[in-house]
Amino acid sequence: GQQLNQSPQSMFIQEGEDVSMNCTSSSIFNTWLWYKQDPGEGPVLLIALYKAGELTSNGRLTAQFGITRKDSFLNISASIPSDVGIYFCAGHYAGGTSYGKLTFGQGTILTVHP
Amino acid sequence: GAVVSQHPSWVICKSGTSVKIECRSLDFQATTMFWYRQFPKQSLMLMATSNEGSKATYEQGVEKDKFLINHASLTLSTLTVTSAHPEDSSFYICSASTGSLSDTQYFGPGTRLTVL
Repeated sequence: GQQLNQSPQSMFIQEGEDVSMNCTSSSIFNTWLWYKQDPGEGPVLLIALYKAGELTSNGRLTAQFGITRKDSFLNISASIPSDVGIYFCAGHYAGGTSYGKLTFGQGTILTVHP
Repeated sequence: GAVVSQHPSWVICKSGTSVKIECRSLDFQATTMFWYRQFPKQSLMLMATSNEGSKATYEQGVEKDKFLINHASLTLSTLTVTSAHPEDSSFYICSASTGSLSDTQYFGPGTRLTVL
């Protein structure tokens, strides 16, 4: 089955620093999604990417859908304490028996020191 | 837009009892809803896919008689954990989408189940 490798697993940074995390897949996806999850809550959608090569920003967040359709990255610029949480990438493949399902990365735990 | 709610947000029950968790899409019609389970510091594990008006499709290893799913309307899906045991304690999260090819899943806030 499809597998997503997300890295790094955790990051400890100072407030104001930029952050970068990425996901790679063993097979192609039609959609890449990036979510943030705070403790005890459900994931919240940050950015959705629908086309290979697409680069999309949402405030201080920027994400790109890799040309090969097997990878994506998320950058956070000028981090602030409220950026703390777990970030998940997720891929959506619209075909076969996996229609509609998301495959999730393992998550990146972000800690921001004031 | 795209708000999904879950109820209850947390529940504590005795072993052997059944617990129902509701998932609602508040401002859109959800053709498809998904149920996930998440253990501490781990990623989300898909349990089943629920399409309105039809039987749910369960992932391998998930007992359909243990985790009953009903998707009776385009805005409501329920997950019933039957004869709950302590090992069923977990964080259960639902998501909803309109079911189009590239559609995004929007997640509920989750339900913390503790079985004593």
